[in-house]
Amino acid sequence: DTGVSQNPRHKITKRGQNVTFRCDPISEHNRLYWYRQTLGQGPEFLTYFQNEAQLEKSRLLSDRFSAERPKGSFSTLEIQRTEQGDSAMYLCASSEELAGGRNEQFFGPGTRLTVL
Amino acid sequence: AQSVSQHNHHVILSEAASLELGCNYSYGGTVNLFWYVQYPGQHLQLLLKYFSGDPLVKGIKGFEAEFIKSKFSFNLRKPSVQWSDTAEYFCAVNGGYNKLIFGAGTRLAVHP
Repeated sequence: DTGVSQNPRHKITKRGQNVTFRCDPISEHNRLYWYRQTLGQGPEFLTYFQNEAQLEKSRLLSDRFSAERPKGSFSTLEIQRTEQGDSAMYLCASSEELAGGRNEQFFGPGTRLTVL
Repeated sequence: AQSVSQHNHHVILSEAASLELGCNYSYGGTVNLFWYVQYPGQHLQLLLKYFSGDPLVKGIKGFEAEFIKSKFSFNLRKPSVQWSDTAEYFCAVNGGYNKLIFGAGTRLAVHP
């Protein structure tokens, strides 16, 4: 399967713990995006990378959240000191770099985080 | 700020019925518009997209959408739904930036 992959698929943690998620994009895509989806809502943008550069961060991304894409390939999203409100599905997407936003984003299966 | 409204949160249809899901967006400039679908247990997949040109866009599985600029709308249609169309449908907009702004989604249930 050459699509976007995410690990783990499910994560259950206790409040206050740190968690890290990984996303492997489609290999020829240089853009990578993170979204968060809660029950009954559509995905909400968190951040995006072009190669290894993090070019935009949403105000949803508090100081407890950090994302990296060190070599312009896979990306990690870390949440420190998790809170119950962080429980959500975390989605990763990747795309080619096309002008004017005409880039189709391909989504991974997501990591479902449950904070107890 | 850009926003997307999907008016129907839940739709229930019988097989062979026609489908129209509403989507309105808020953005004054040039937009790129998308419909994504999420089948049960699967990840988001692109159904169709509009960038420019013919405002009637055809996608996969017999779906189509019409962009009406004056109404800021991009409604999704299918003339005859099947049980396999049971899924959640998301409208999304990208105003030339790179992030997608999604609507809240419409959950469609098709009964045989």
